[in-house]
Amino acid sequence: GEQVEQRPPHLSVREGDSAVIICTYTDPNSYYFFWYKQEPGAGLQLLMKVFSSTEINEGQGFTVLLNKKDKQLSLNLTAAHPGDSAVYFCAVTPSSSGQKLVFGQGTILKVYL
Amino acid sequence: NSKVIQTPRYLVKGQGQKAKMRCIPEKGHPVVFWYQQNKNNEFKFLINFQNQEVLQQIDMTEKRFSAECPSNSPCSLEIQSSEAGDSALYLCASSLLGGRYAEQFFGPGTRLTVL
Repeated sequence: GEQVEQRPPHLSVREGDSAVIICTYTDPNSYYFFWYKQEPGAGLQLLMKVFSSTEINEGQGFTVLLNKKDKQLSLNLTAAHPGDSAVYFCAVTPSSSGQKLVFGQGTILKVYL
Repeated sequence: NSKVIQTPRYLVKGQGQKAKMRCIPEKGHPVVFWYQQNKNNEFKFLINFQNQEVLQQIDMTEKRFSAECPSNSPCSLEIQSSEAGDSALYLCASSLLGGRYAEQFFGPGTRLTVL
């Protein structure tokens, strides 16, 4: 079945610096991709969804890039601030999964002053 | 922001006890999912429903876990006989459509501790 590899597992950056998280998936027919943010004691907050073959989506303070050719999904926080400190997960809907999501292992991001 | 409601937020049970948690999906969302997130941040899909009908479920769910989404009542997930390995965050999510392009919105979770 689909496997999603997320790197790095831990990331520590200074306020104002960028932070990049990358997910690599195996099923070339995966068709819908998500980034979620999880703060302590909370559920998953949807940050962004993408599904086009090559797509760049911009949100508030971050950019998401999907490269289906390389089977990679990335999240780039352009100027991190302490409020961005959280665990970030990518999630993929593989072709064989019906509707259930396959998650990456998570990245613990810490933004320090 | 997600409007999925999960209760209770925390649940503590002894081994062998029943553990029941509830979920109210976002209004108008016909599809409900249950996932288990363990302490290593590994997610396991348990079961999903469209309206009151089960769409998919894993073997674990079939044996000790039971779930339902009755009409006009909260959805529920119940573990018949809790084991230490069931300690985890149980996340409920709902989506607007039954199709494959619908994003899932998550509740805050029920953190189960089995002593």
